[in-house]
Amino acid sequence: DAGITQSPRYKITETGRQVTLMCHQTWSHSYMFWYRQDLGHGLRLIYYSAAADITDKGEVPDGYVVSRSKTENFPLTLESATRSQTSVYFCASLAGGSYNEQFFGPGTRLTVL
Amino acid sequence: GQNIDQPTEMTATEGAIVQINCTYQTSGFNGLFWYQQHAGEAPTFLSYNVLDGLEEKGRFSSFLSRSKGYSYLLLKELQMKDSASYLCAVLSSNTGKLIFGQGTTLQVKP
Repeated sequence: DAGITQSPRYKITETGRQVTLMCHQTWSHSYMFWYRQDLGHGLRLIYYSAAADITDKGEVPDGYVVSRSKTENFPLTLESATRSQTSVYFCASLAGGSYNEQFFGPGTRLTVL
Repeated sequence: GQNIDQPTEMTATEGAIVQINCTYQTSGFNGLFWYQQHAGEAPTFLSYNVLDGLEEKGRFSSFLSRSKGYSYLLLKELQMKDSASYLCAVLSSNTGKLIFGQGTTLQVKP
């Protein structure tokens, strides 16, 4: 099915563990974004990518790593999870040529114990 | 950098009209987006403005003034289901970043 999917939808992990959140889109959109959403902070940009093999830091990149070897995938890795990374993570994609289509994935709720 | 301001909360009555404002500062402007987000759900796209003026889409309209760094979302004939957060976001042409404001929580009362 066409769309943008995230996996897992829910994840509980422990401090210090590595966690990877997956994001997959089927539209071949050029841009992809990772956001975290916490009460009192709204949506904050972690990393974004303008195309395959092009990534850049957002507002809150520390503790996160991304890659984009294929246009359709944009995984986000927490190298050593901390409690402050407990949050809801949203992936989004945006068409490159016409910016008026932008879609969010369903989100991943991550809890770090 | 980019800075976006929206009111935190608003209340309106069912059937009425409400205007949610957004002011922004950005290094290079490549469009402004509005989203609706219900509690526990992902944001959903409402509108995109890149040129000055009003874009109408059913009960929702969005206005942009680039010279003033100002936009608003107008919701007409309010329904109870319109109770949600409304997010304003600006795309920078210089960096490619899409940055969000804090969001406006709208409560629609009977």
